[in-house]
Amino acid sequence: DTAVSQTPKYLVTQMGNDKSIKCEQNLGHDTMYWYKQDSKKFLKIMFSYNNKELIINETVPNRFSPKSPDKAHLNLHINSLELGDSAVYFCASSPSRRELFFGEGSRLTVL
Amino acid sequence: KQEVTQIPAALSVPEGENLVLNCSFTDSAIYNLQWFRQDPGKGLTSLLLIQSSQREQTSGRLNASLDKSSGRSTLYIAASQPGDSATYLCAVNSNSGYALNFGKGTSLLVTP
Repeated sequence: DTAVSQTPKYLVTQMGNDKSIKCEQNLGHDTMYWYKQDSKKFLKIMFSYNNKELIINETVPNRFSPKSPDKAHLNLHINSLELGDSAVYFCASSPSRRELFFGEGSRLTVL
Repeated sequence: KQEVTQIPAALSVPEGENLVLNCSFTDSAIYNLQWFRQDPGKGLTSLLLIQSSQREQTSGRLNASLDKSSGRSTLYIAASQPGDSATYLCAVNSNSGYALNFGKGTSLLVTP
């Protein structure tokens, strides 16, 4: 009965590859987010979708592309992976700017 | 742009002590403020959410206060326990946007 679930939890890949991380929430929330936590543990917003519409698109390389097929899902696709993309990526959801609920994170390591 | 600062960056206390974690933000036009806990290798767990119209929220041994005019929030933990050891993160939702802006966290260690 996980509220916000992300897959995969761990991802190890080579530079230049393309990878995706999936996120699903069963809380009925209408807003979903992707956050990046770097090696210094600092959390930074990347994207947010409200009812499948992109509402936040921070300064993120074009290699990162979010996709929201429906309100309960927000996926993150990354093209041409670089060493600097290594981080923990967190998905979160909230009912319209209220309390945020986070997934367990997806640790991406680029070799 | 909203900047969130947390002091101290790290804190070590003996079990049983009461402690205060500090959070400051630069733009007082906030929608709400949320405190989280993060255990090593884990996701974030929401502890308390304070709306802009509220002064404080309490949950068990935790009490969070908000002073918008001075751009400050504190998280008070009473009678600390070793199980409280974690990183505590403060995050602010500004009126101008949907996303939470996070501080860098306070790493708390409670020793037996």
